Amino acid sequence: AQKVTQAQTEISVVEKEDVTLDCVYETRDTTYYLFWYKQPPSGELVFLIRRNSFDEQNEISGRYSWNFQKSTSSFNFTITASQVVDSAVYFCALSEAGGGAQKLVFGQGTRLTINP
Amino acid sequence: NAGVTQTPKFRVLKTGQSMTLLCAQDMNHEYMYWYRQDPGMGLRLIHYSVGEGTTAKGEVPDGYNVSRLKKQNFLLGLESAAPSQTSVYFCASSYEREYSYSWDEQYFGPGTRLTVT
Repeated sequence: AQKVTQAQTEISVVEKEDVTLDCVYETRDTTYYLFWYKQPPSGELVFLIRRNSFDEQNEISGRYSWNFQKSTSSFNFTITASQVVDSAVYFCALSEAGGGAQKLVFGQGTRLTINP
Repeated sequence: NAGVTQTPKFRVLKTGQSMTLLCAQDMNHEYMYWYRQDPGMGLRLIHYSVGEGTTAKGEVPDGYNVSRLKKQNFLLGLESAAPSQTSVYFCASSYEREYSYSWDEQYFGPGTRLTVT
């Protein structure tokens, strides 16, 4: 069975600090996708990034960066110079192959609070 | 484009009542999904559909039924609501590219907050 673990339930930092959100996954598939979604206080889910299992290159998008390591089954997310607007719940998710549909398995989420 | 919309946004039911949640998407996506979000548990897949007229069970399908009569709509039904179904329900849709194992992200609706008393 596939599983995603976000061990950090809540993180609180002061603005401008760097913060890393951990994501560890389990899967027997050799082909899979990993995702990060953001859920701000307003409740909607905002897509941040998709990464397939064949591409281990790290990615940077502005203040956001992602570190994908198959050797440790981890897909960690770092926010550099955090801002109050980054306060949200962040979900890591894994796509399960089969049936033609993208059946996402989500982690429990990490609630990030950025204090001014 | 409205993207993915959900109706209603909020609903309170009494135990045993029934209701239908409507999800609509205007992106011509083949795949549609229903998730529930409970505190501390992330989102869990209830049912999904790979196309008009087809549905399949997800991780937590018990107590729910779904229908996909039109490509753009995906309905989630609760025949006899129970307090354990108090949750936030999210609908999502996605499409698959022409070649295998190349999925784009799922587009989520704004959610429906359901309380069963």
